[in-house]
Amino acid sequence: SQELEQSPQSLIVQEGKNLTINCTSSKTLYGLYWYKQKYGEGLIFLMMLQKGGEEKSHEKITAKLDEKKQQSSLHITASQPSHAGIYLCGADISTTSGTYKYIFGTGTRLKVLA
Amino acid sequence: GAVVSQHPSRVICKSGTSVKIECRSLDFQATTMFWYRQFPKQSLMLMATSNEGSKATYEQGVEKDKFLINHASLTLSTLTVTSAHPEDSSFYICSALEGSYGYTFGSGTRLTVV
Repeated sequence: SQELEQSPQSLIVQEGKNLTINCTSSKTLYGLYWYKQKYGEGLIFLMMLQKGGEEKSHEKITAKLDEKKQQSSLHITASQPSHAGIYLCGADISTTSGTYKYIFGTGTRLKVLA
Repeated sequence: GAVVSQHPSRVICKSGTSVKIECRSLDFQATTMFWYRQFPKQSLMLMATSNEGSKATYEQGVEKDKFLINHASLTLSTLTVTSAHPEDSSFYICSALEGSYGYTFGSGTRLTVV
């Protein structure tokens, strides 16, 4: 099972519409990161959230981390074709051996129709 | 800020040959590096955690004899795909962890095995 689940898996919206992507963990997250990517290309860092209840915005993208630090949402307002891509959440997860590893969510593919 | 250089960015190799991918932290020392693989339309999957001076920790389902990881210095980790086959064609990306900067990602390597 995936430790970081994203929903929806894929999304097609008309330009100008708002949309929300969710990232859920069964464990408390110590830091939650959002990235945008296109397959075969590097990651574009969007935002990092650390505190429960934290919310950050950049241009038309807003990310929130819930109070329990187990769920985050990424909201895009008035989407544009340039928003299209794969959105990934990432986080530190503790391992059974007591160390940490950095993993990504299952990903959300966004397509914006002009 | 921290920079991680990954090389090569693209490589095409013949089936049965080995390919080495390098990941270098340019202005910081990284005791821990991570290697990920991404297939089309999928997320980034953690393959292994590379620790300087010790054996890598592989995720379940990743063949350690096929994906050789060497982290001989604090600034360099290498991933060698041995006896590559077309199904190994994928996008590989590394990240390095450094206390002050957190996680920094390379720009990725697109491997095509023909």
